[in-house]
Amino acid sequence: QLHLQESGSGLVRPSETLSLTCAVSGGSINTRGYSWSWIRQPPGKDLEWIGYISPDGVTSYNPSLGSRVTISLDRSKNHFSLTLKSVTAADTAFYYCARELGGYNWFDPWGQGTLVTVSS
Amino acid sequence: DIQMTQSPSSLSASVGDRVTITCRASQIISRYLNWYQQRQGEAPKLLIYGVSGLQIGVPSRFSGSGSGTDFTLTINNLQPEDFATYYCQQGSTTPRTFGQGTKVEI
Repeated sequence: QLHLQESGSGLVRPSETLSLTCAVSGGSINTRGYSWSWIRQPPGKDLEWIGYISPDGVTSYNPSLGSRVTISLDRSKNHFSLTLKSVTAADTAFYYCARELGGYNWFDPWGQGTLVTVSS
Repeated sequence: DIQMTQSPSSLSASVGDRVTITCRASQIISRYLNWYQQRQGEAPKLLIYGVSGLQIGVPSRFSGSGSGTDFTLTINNLQPEDFATYYCQQGSTTPRTFGQGTKVEI
């Protein structure tokens, strides 16, 4: 059974870079037909798709984040990562990683999520 | 971006009730519509994919319908564990977008 687990810093200072990793177990990130996504949710608010990366490294990002976001793969470690530059308080959120399945492009499974707080 | 609008934003129901949640897309998304359940303090969980496909392990009291721009999630015989927030999501285009959620309360 596929399992995803987020890790990274829970506290980031304003203007600095947020970095998170999603470890994938029970399956390979190289499997075709899937993409690997990041989604966030400010406490008490709505879900926002950040972007995804495909097994061959093709990325798609939410334009709302501009050029601040990068998603990358590490095939040797079977994980993928998120970096978000120049963070502000508005980037405080629960960050989830998830697998996106081709077809109707749904997300399953999700990681448990990790809270990242932007504060000095 | 495709805007996803859910209604109602919240509702009160009792165990055993039938609950209906609607989701409207700002443009035609064919069958690229998925539903999730999020319990308090947990990650979202896939319930239904492609409008009406029931995810493995999800009880059959959950069902989905619709096409084009208008979609519905129905929960029959509401159970205590169903009190949660429900989100629709479109997979037709990027950026993927979610509805604002419908909170089902006791």
